[in-house]
Amino acid sequence: AQSVTQLDSHVSVSEGTPVLLRCNYSSSYSPSLFWYVQHPNKGLQLLLKYTSAATLVKGINGFEAEFKKSETSFHLTKPSAHMSDAAEYFCVVGAITGGGNKLTFGTGTQLKVEL
Amino acid sequence: GAGVSQSPSNKVTEKGKDVELRCDPISGHTALYWYRQRLGQGLEFLIYFQGNSAPDKSGLPSDRFSAERTGESVSTLTIQRTQQEDSAVYLCASTLRTSGYNEQFFGPGTRLTVL
Repeated sequence: AQSVTQLDSHVSVSEGTPVLLRCNYSSSYSPSLFWYVQHPNKGLQLLLKYTSAATLVKGINGFEAEFKKSETSFHLTKPSAHMSDAAEYFCVVGAITGGGNKLTFGTGTQLKVEL
Repeated sequence: GAGVSQSPSNKVTEKGKDVELRCDPISGHTALYWYRQRLGQGLEFLIYFQGNSAPDKSGLPSDRFSAERTGESVSTLTIQRTQQEDSAVYLCASTLRTSGYNEQFFGPGTRLTVL
């Protein structure tokens, strides 16, 4: 069994300030973890993924996330927010079942970036 | 096309009617997934197809839901006798391979409204 908890449903930051979106996971297996972003009226896009290689994962658009097994966390960060970062972000845990990768999504964090 | 496409983009129907949603995966992608996203919630896995293998239907919420896929091409998700709680965005995703944790490419979704 696996699950994901995104601790904040909404986060608001000022442009140019750091972003922190929190995620905790639970998995019976060694997890693979992802962050997806969903811009309004657009499809989901993969930001980054962790698959048991380096614990600090760098993704697109300056985002990165650190896998911390002891804390069962996979928080998403960015040093400096940009207006274009405003979107909904989903933390996702993956498991292989029957040869396919089944994803379990968190409920999402809406990121607002203000001037 | 270059990405996953879905049709229709919006569907409004009356309670009790049947609806059919279509997904065109990226050419050559062997696996195809259907998800449901209710307002303010994360994605719920519904069903996945891998090549000609039997689909994983473990996420289908009731026997009113069914899906088909011919080979590695188009898939249709059918909801019979729609209920108001079926209102959601239905997302389709495809991947190139099913082994390992491969990125799922998502379509823009079909927004279903049941009156």
